[in-house]
Amino acid sequence: AQSVTQPDIHITVSEGASLELRCNYSYGATPYLFWYVQSPGQGLQLLLKYFSGDTLVQGIKGFEAEFKRSQSSFNLRKPSVHWSDAAEYFCAVGAREYGNKLVFGAGTILRVKS
Amino acid sequence: EPEVTQTPSHQVTQMGQEVILRCVPISNHLYFYWYRQILGQKVEFLVSFYNNEISEKSEIFDDQFSVERPDGSNFTLKIRSTKLEDSAMYFCASTLAETYGYTFGSGTRLTVV
Repeated sequence: AQSVTQPDIHITVSEGASLELRCNYSYGATPYLFWYVQSPGQGLQLLLKYFSGDTLVQGIKGFEAEFKRSQSSFNLRKPSVHWSDAAEYFCAVGAREYGNKLVFGAGTILRVKS
Repeated sequence: EPEVTQTPSHQVTQMGQEVILRCVPISNHLYFYWYRQILGQKVEFLVSFYNNEISEKSEIFDDQFSVERPDGSNFTLKIRSTKLEDSAMYFCASTLAETYGYTFGSGTRLTVV
């Protein structure tokens, strides 16, 4: 069965520090991958997506993610975190072979300390 | 930027009552979805809808659930007889094609008492 693992439930970083949120997936097909961000009481905002091509993808708000097929990973990074980045981040994976529905990870809550 | 709009933002209903959650997807999108997130749990797929019919549904989406696109703009999720365990945030999403990514609405928080 398809699955997505975000091993870190909570992460705390200092403002201005770099950030990496981990995402690993288990899929039997060629996946497409997303990162979404959710602020409290808000919906899911798409940060970035990977379908094919360059394995390093750039997103909004200065985020980037790298697809590593050999490690089944799609980690999210940001070189310098801002206090406004505090939110919950979800990795999601889909595949045409599985009807295009998304399977989400459990989420990582990012706290930013000043 | 186009948005997916969901109403209401919060609904409280008594167990056994019917509820209808409403969504207005982005106007030129073709694929529509409902997901839900029980508090503290993962976002879970419920159903996908394309070309005026359900294309896929999860095990959660039993006979108590139904979806409809009554007028070409709205996309609704109906729960016929709500249970306490239906309490969750329900998200609507739409896309033109999967390669475009999925746009989610802000969600409806359903509380069944």
